[in-house]
Amino acid sequence: DAGVIQSPRHEVTEMGQEVTLRCKPISGHDYLFWYRQTMMRGLELLIYFNNNVPIDDSGMPEDRFSAKMPNASFSTLKIQPSEPRDSAVYFCASRKSNQPQHFGDGTRLSIL
Amino acid sequence: GIQVEQSPPDLILQEGANSTLRCNFSDSVNNLQWFHQNPWGQLINLFYIPSGTKQNGRLSATTVATERYSLLYISSSQTTDSGVYFCAVNQAGTALIFGKGTTLSVSS
Repeated sequence: DAGVIQSPRHEVTEMGQEVTLRCKPISGHDYLFWYRQTMMRGLELLIYFNNNVPIDDSGMPEDRFSAKMPNASFSTLKIQPSEPRDSAVYFCASRKSNQPQHFGDGTRLSIL
Repeated sequence: GIQVEQSPPDLILQEGANSTLRCNFSDSVNNLQWFHQNPWGQLINLFYIPSGTKQNGRLSATTVATERYSLLYISSSQTTDSGVYFCAVNQAGTALIFGKGTTLSVSS
């Protein structure tokens, strides 16, 4: 079975540009999560969805960040405009109800 | 929110040694998972263990939910076991909250 698929794997862009990260969850999973990992803050939850509806976005750092889940098989995390301090590894994860949570391989984002 | 504390923060072992990693959490939880983050950054599921004991090869885990802790045992460690081990917990319908991890280095 395919796992959680994230794209791109790596992204390098200049400050001020729009960045869009993409995620395809495991088929049949009803929860989708976006996390960010940095050396300073570790793994922190940004936002999660249940049945395509955002449930908790309290971890989204500021209005420059937005996330959508237009259908059960696709989600995006957008940063506009991007800043150097947004550089991090962004993980998407999914799970079904109270089953184990599975992570994608992450997107390594560098903002110059 | 729930607090997750892992110990020790760093661990250095010789190949073949055994080790125990600990995870304490501050409130009752529905789920607990152990992950290994390998040198390529991938988060690998090790155990889904809200309670009880499970074993998978050289690794085993025990969660005592009533006392709010979990232990991960690594026996006969190998260099490929190096990386960061994370414990994460969640309550029903919420997201996993991660500890800061234990960084394990196994030398040959």
